[in-house]
Amino acid sequence: NAGVTQTPKFQVLKTGQSMTLQCAQDMNHEYMSWYRQDPGMGLRLIHYSVGAGITDQGEVPNGYNVSRSTTEDFPLRLLSAAPSQTSVYFCASRGLAGRSGELFFGEGSRLTVL
Amino acid sequence: AQKITQTQPGMFVQEKEAVTLDCTYDTSDPSYGLFWYKQPSSGEMIFLIYQGSYDQQNATEGRYSLNFQKARKSANLVISASQLGDSAMYFCAMREEETSGSRLTFGEGTQLTVNP
Repeated sequence: NAGVTQTPKFQVLKTGQSMTLQCAQDMNHEYMSWYRQDPGMGLRLIHYSVGAGITDQGEVPNGYNVSRSTTEDFPLRLLSAAPSQTSVYFCASRGLAGRSGELFFGEGSRLTVL
Repeated sequence: AQKITQTQPGMFVQEKEAVTLDCTYDTSDPSYGLFWYKQPSSGEMIFLIYQGSYDQQNATEGRYSLNFQKARKSANLVISASQLGDSAMYFCAMREEETSGSRLTFGEGTQLTVNP
């Protein structure tokens, strides 16, 4: 049971570098999302998608890009990393049918920007 | 205004006792869902329990129950018979079905420590 898979788990970047956090799910979920977790601030939504070809901004989208070319994959791109983007990033998905539709989370990716 | 408020940054409980973690929410959406997640020190997010706004009864899942008081807009998590493995960060979250569709908004979390 792979569920939601995020890579890499750890990454150190220098200011100005770019990188992509990968997220893949094998549950055929329509909805996928990216959150960042910072101490004392809970999880904040960066971007989300309700299906292939559809993306939208969350609460803190600046500095991040996403695309959704397939149902399975939802990569998060940092075009020019800044120290303020040091955080733990979670990818999460859910099916749009069903009663509760809880989010299924990846294991997280810890990013440090120097 | 905060949509989800968890007023207890840290809580302590003795093993085998019950503990209540507070959560209040703010929404004008008539249809919404409330969730609790557990995050142990290893970092993964574990879904615990769900309560729908139209549910007549409080949700229960094993040792977890959700004390849903709609008029007060509170959705407190009750953990009975605490175990050492319950030590973790706990997050309350809300999904507003009409306002925000599938998006989930999280509170800041409560760090629970279970003492032996």
